[in-house]
This record gives sequence, structure tokens and C-alpha cells, in this order.
Amino acid sequence: GAVVSQHPSWVICKSGTSVKIECRSLDFQATTMFWYRQFPKQSLMLMATSNEGSKATYEQGVEKDKFLINHASLTLSTLTVTSAHPEDSSFYICSAGQSSTDTQYFGPGTRLTVL
Amino acid sequence: QKEVEQDPGPLSVPEGAIVSLNCTYSNSAFQYFMWYRQYSRKGPELLMYTYSSGNKEDGRFTAQVDKSSKYISLFIRDSQPSDSATYLCAMAYGGATNKLIFGTGTLLAVQP
Repeated sequence: GAVVSQHPSWVICKSGTSVKIECRSLDFQATTMFWYRQFPKQSLMLMATSNEGSKATYEQGVEKDKFLINHASLTLSTLTVTSAHPEDSSFYICSAGQSSTDTQYFGPGTRLTVL
Repeated sequence: QKEVEQDPGPLSVPEGAIVSLNCTYSNSAFQYFMWYRQYSRKGPELLMYTYSSGNKEDGRFTAQVDKSSKYISLFIRDSQPSDSATYLCAMAYGGATNKLIFGTGTLLAVQP
């Protein structure tokens, strides 16, 4: 199957700093990528849909100025958590849709801890 | 009411047992149904993907969709300790590369 990578796999930062997470589709092009957040023992909650070459579409309740998404190419989307606070600590997972197989592949996730 | 309901478990079974995992949904517009497996601190891995009502089999896994009852199931035969994970059902309106709505996930433990 197709592979989606994320970097970094884990990050610890101080409150007030910004953190950038990268999501790459390694062997296919993805017009659309998705960013999810998962709190412990909870399911994945969609944060936003990242569209190559256009602005991201955010889900209700997700602050677009706090979670900046850039989809600069067909294989790369980035999520920047700006002015991170402890309540932003979570597991962030991206996914990418492969049109040829009509399948959505998930990255391994990035664990963010804000001190 | 959540769009997708799933019993969070945990579900504990002995090795070799048949496991039944279920989700119900409220929106009849869902057309695509998926089951993902997620190991602790890892991203979800696609197990099964179905479109129409009926059964789909892949090895030890069988996915069942009943659109009339808005009910989907995943059966695991001859369960193994390596099957211990969280199983998430997911649904989409217009294709699996679109926005997915996930259930809460069922934590499964297969005891050796």
C-alpha cells in the first residue's frame, strides 16, 4: 500500500512557542490531505482538510489562526501549531487520499507535548 | 446524537475466538464504510473497505454492511494476540478519499 510519513514523530516544546509538523505522501500524489487530532483513549477528530494550492477548510471549533496549514505541493502538507499551550498536547495524525485506489492512508502520527 | 456510534469496550477474548465489532450510524447519506486498526501510539491502518450492503471477506476478516439497518460489523476469525489493538469504524459520503467520520474505536485484547 501507499506510504504516508510524518515528521517529527514526537516533539516537546515550551508554552508559547510554535511547532511545525510535516506530512508527506511518499509514493503518490495527494490533492487532498487531512489533519486529525486524537486525545488519549478517544477517536480521531478531523481538524481540517488541506487542499493543494488553496486554503485549508477547517472544521467547526478549530481556530485557523492557531493551526496554520500549508499544502505547498502534491506530496507535502504542513501543520503549524502557533503559540502552543499545554491543552494543545495531543496526537496529531495526517492522512492522504490516493485517487487511483480510492483509499485514504494515514501517517504514523506526531505526539506533541507542550510544557 | 453522534453520527457514528461504536462501543468503546474494552473487549477481551481468548486466542482463537471469533470477534465481532459493530458500529451504527444515523445518516443514510454515508455510502463508504471502512475499518481501521490502530496500535497504541501509531496511525490507523486500513483493514477493510466496503461500498455496498453485504459481506466482504479478506483472510480472517469479514466486513458486513447493512444499509437498511444502518449497521456495520467486522468479524475476526481465529483471533490472535497480535490482533490486540483499537478498531475504528469510519464512514464517508462521497468516496474514501474524502472526509471520514470515525467511531470512537473499540479496544480489543486477545489473551494468549
